[in-house]
Amino acid sequence: DSGVTQTPKHLITATGQRVTLRCSPRSGDLSVYWYQQSLDQGLQFLIQYYNGEERAKGNILERFSAQQFPDLHSELNLSSLELGDSALYFCASSYSPGLAGPYNEQFFGPGTRLTVL
Amino acid sequence: GENVEQHPSTLSVQEGDSAVIKCTYSDSASNYFPWYKQELGKRPQLIIDIRSNVGEKKDQRIAVTLNKTAKHFSLHITETQPEDSAVYFCAASMTGRDDKIIFGKGTRLHILP
Repeated sequence: DSGVTQTPKHLITATGQRVTLRCSPRSGDLSVYWYQQSLDQGLQFLIQYYNGEERAKGNILERFSAQQFPDLHSELNLSSLELGDSALYFCASSYSPGLAGPYNEQFFGPGTRLTVL
Repeated sequence: GENVEQHPSTLSVQEGDSAVIKCTYSDSASNYFPWYKQELGKRPQLIIDIRSNVGEKKDQRIAVTLNKTAKHFSLHITETQPEDSAVYFCAASMTGRDDKIIFGKGTRLHILP
């Protein structure tokens, strides 16, 4: 158990709908990262938040958005869902960006499997 | 932006033999290179990492080498065991700029009995 929690574990919805995925980082971690993993694909970095602020952006679609709240949990919002959005969405957390030593390790949550029908 | 290429995409080795996975990166400013292992249906987990001020790092049966000039790094697993079967991802990051980690597409390692 990495200490990162994600809810829900599974989500089945229809095209055009909107969903919210939730992530709670490890205690003390300030950074949260979101990744998308499609079938037989690698981990696509979507977005990173550090202490409530957006810090880095990857290949995140305009239909997707995220935020990190004062208690450091994060939510990833996916709207106007398409069949191709079906994937495993991972959240990861780390203590702090930009520091040498063990702080850069990212700890992954168990993922949320999204199925769009 | 950073791009990470990983080869091979699939690798089968006999139990007890060694496995080598190679990655190249494009951004010469990258200074942190982690390797993650993902077992079927599970989350990725860090198995070893190396920073740009080090050329090689070893942890029991796992070693990673880094060639900054050529911008490539490799994972070596010796005396492979059945539990080594998994997907392995290399990644590159520039700490101090942001913590965005760019992953390779992964190598599916099969350990044959």
